[in-house]
Amino acid sequence: DAKTTQPPSMDCAEGRAANLPCNHSTISGNEYVYWYRQIHSQGPQYIIHGLKNNETNEMASLIITEDRKSSTLILPHATLRDTAVYYCIVRTSNSGYALNFGKGTSLLVTP
Amino acid sequence: SQTIHQWPATLVQPVGSPLSLECTVEGTSNPNLYWYRQAAGRGLQLLFYSVGIGQISSEVPQNLSASRPQDRQFILSSKKLLLSDSGFYLCAWSHDYGYTFGSGTRLTVV
Repeated sequence: DAKTTQPPSMDCAEGRAANLPCNHSTISGNEYVYWYRQIHSQGPQYIIHGLKNNETNEMASLIITEDRKSSTLILPHATLRDTAVYYCIVRTSNSGYALNFGKGTSLLVTP
Repeated sequence: SQTIHQWPATLVQPVGSPLSLECTVEGTSNPNLYWYRQAAGRGLQLLFYSVGIGQISSEVPQNLSASRPQDRQFILSSKKLLLSDSGFYLCAWSHDYGYTFGSGTRLTVV
């Protein structure tokens, strides 16, 4: 699986958009970009995933660059409950293989 | 709907004692199942995964073992716990839209 690079930490004011970047310059054509988050002392929670088109759901938006070498997860109106570690993972859609979590980005949403 | 159950939520065990953590999935058949561990302040480490009954793959050598006696049951075990086995253990299953994790077991070895 392609390796990802994320900033170790970010801050965001409550109510503002949180934009979390991820670099995956070695991504291959059949690999998807997945985003998960882990709130303290809980299991990781699926947020969104995409292949090459931008995606949006009730939680977030995923913007993937045209060359697919980087992506941005957008939380449009961050709340205090969005404080968590966010993981960007790149892998194929074959669910027979496990996700390899890196260190992620620790997002702190402040009042 | 599919659900994943993991227990116990917390566990304190003495060094040298055995361990058995259980994970079960409901609402699906022949799921791929995974055990992860997260040490304090660290990332998630894949320990074992299983694609079917009796099929276990180990990612790292360690003091732990896993078994899958039934289609939707995944068990993590140890014969003798070490202090370094302390951590947050998570079970997960995979599906078309990604992976769903259990609520985790926080194990403290004393």
